[in-house]
Order: sequence, then C-alpha cells, then structure tokens
Amino acid sequence: GAVVSQHPSWVICKSGTSVKIECRSLDFQATTMFWYRQFPKQSLMLMATSNEGSKATYEQGVEKDKFLINHASLTLSTLTVTSAHPEDSSFYICSAPSGGNSYNEQFFGPGTRLTVL
Amino acid sequence: AQSVTQPDIHITVSEGASLELRCNYSYGATPYLFWYVQSPGQGLQLLLKYFSGDTLVQGIKGFEAEFKRSQSSFNLRKPSVHWSDAAEYFCAVGAYAAGNKLTFGGGTRVLVKP
Repeated sequence: GAVVSQHPSWVICKSGTSVKIECRSLDFQATTMFWYRQFPKQSLMLMATSNEGSKATYEQGVEKDKFLINHASLTLSTLTVTSAHPEDSSFYICSAPSGGNSYNEQFFGPGTRLTVL
Repeated sequence: AQSVTQPDIHITVSEGASLELRCNYSYGATPYLFWYVQSPGQGLQLLLKYFSGDTLVQGIKGFEAEFKRSQSSFNLRKPSVHWSDAAEYFCAVGAYAAGNKLTFGGGTRVLVKP
C-alpha cells in the first residue's frame, strides 16, 4: 500500500517559537493532503485540507494564521505551528488520498507529537 | 454534513471472547465507511473499508464489519480477541462529494483481560 511519512515524529519546543511538521507521500502523488489534530484520549479532528498549488482550506474554528499550511509539491505538505503555546501541544496526523477522480482510500502518516513548554 | 457516533467509549473483553464495536453514521447518500485501529502513540491502521457491494466486509487481523443501511450502522466484529487487539478503534465516514474528507467517530478503547 501507499506510504505517508511525517517528520519529526516528536518535537519539544519553547512557548513562542514556531514548529514545522512535514508530511510526505513516499510512493504516490497527492494533490490533496489532510491535517488532523488529536488530543489525548480523543478522536481525530480535521484541521485543514492542503491543496497543491493553492491555498489550504481550513475547518471552522481553526486559526489559519496560527497553523500555516504549504503544499509545496505533489509529495510534500507542511504544517507550521506559529508562536506555539502549551495549548497547541497535541498529536498531529496527516493523510493523503491515493488520487484519482473517485473516492480514494486515505493513507495516514504515523503522527507528530508536539509538546510546547 | 456527515457524522459518526461510537456509543461505547470503553469496552473490556476477555481474551478469546468475541468483540463487537458499534458505529452509527449520518449521511444523506451512500457513504464510504472505514474502521481504523490506533495503538498508543501510533498512527492509524486501516482494518477494513466499505465502498459498495457485499455488505459484509472482511478485513485484516480477523476483523469483519457489516453495513446495514436500514440501521445506518457499520459495526465491527471479531470472533476471538487476542491480547494484541487492545487499542483504540475509530469508525470513519467519507464521501467524494465532501472532498474526500473523513469524519471520525469518538473512538472506542478496547481493553483485553487475560
């Protein structure tokens, strides 16, 4: 099956700094990628849809200036948490559909655990 | 808008016993339905999916699920649970019309007693 990687797998940063998380589709191209956020013992909440060559689409309640998304190529999307605060600490997971014109299975990255001190 | 409900937050089952996890969805058209498993601190692994056709779907690790349109349900089952099945299970619904977005249920944590 298709593989999606994330880097880093975990990161600890100081409050006020910015953190960049990468999501890569390793063996397929993805014009769309999705970013989710998961708090401990909770479900995944979709944050935004990353679109190659255009602006990301954010879900209601997600601050676009706080969570910057860039889909630089057909295999890479990045999520930058700007001016991170402790409440941004969470598990961030990306996914990518395998492509095509019909509904396609999404492949998930292993997640990135962010801890803001 | 699509939504998913997993009524059971926790389920404890003895090793070797059967397991059933409930999932109810809400969506105006025929949905695409998924079950994922997540071990602590890990990403999601797809157990099985339903797109169309046979309503009884077989997945990996001995899991199966049945799509029941009349009940808007997609319950996950396993005849005999192994200790390694202890994990968090998520039901999800997707739709092409929704831009391939997935909506997840709240999850069910499965504990396996020896």
